[in-house]
Amino acid sequence: GQQVMQIPQYQHVQEGEDFTTYCNSSTTLSNIQWYKQRPGGHPVFLIQLVKSGEVKKQKRLTFQFGEAKKNSSLHITATQTTDVGTYFCAGYSSNTGKLIFGQGTTLQVKP
Amino acid sequence: GAGVSQTPSNKVTEKGKYVELRCDPISGHTALYWYRQSLGQGPEFLIYFQGTGAADDSGLPNDRFFAVRPEGSVSTLKIQRTERGDSAVYLCASSLAGPYGQFFGPGTRLTVL
Repeated sequence: GQQVMQIPQYQHVQEGEDFTTYCNSSTTLSNIQWYKQRPGGHPVFLIQLVKSGEVKKQKRLTFQFGEAKKNSSLHITATQTTDVGTYFCAGYSSNTGKLIFGQGTTLQVKP
Repeated sequence: GAGVSQTPSNKVTEKGKYVELRCDPISGHTALYWYRQSLGQGPEFLIYFQGTGAADDSGLPNDRFFAVRPEGSVSTLKIQRTERGDSAVYLCASSLAGPYGQFFGPGTRLTVL
């Protein structure tokens, strides 16, 4: 079945440093979604990428969707302590209508 | 407006018991999803409803798990003969029909002793 892998599993950075998490799917995706889960919280939708090669920005966050629509990345510039949490990518298949989540990357930011 | 709500927030039960977990989605959202999340893992898909019907239940681990959405709004996840391995946070999410972002509820933490 479809699998979505994320690396790294954990990342510790000093406040102000950049952070990137990578996501790879075993199959071509209709779109990819990114979620953030704070400690003790539930996943919160951040963004959706649909087009091959698409790049979207939200303030210090930059999201990319690969040309083959099988991989994606999230880059945070100049991390802040408020960025702490687990970032999940989730691949959507229009054939099945369901999301398959990666295992997430947990970001810790040292002030 | 109100977000997705789930009740109870915590449920402790004994092995072998039956439990029901409830999800109240955002009004107007026709798609409803159930996930299970264990510590350090991403949400694991269980079942997806479009309206009243289960469009995909391929994630349900076995026949002890069953979910309904009789009127196309509130959904109930039912687990029979609970086992310790069923302990996890059960998340519900809703969305508009199609490839849209999902809105998650706060989850129900199920502990099977």
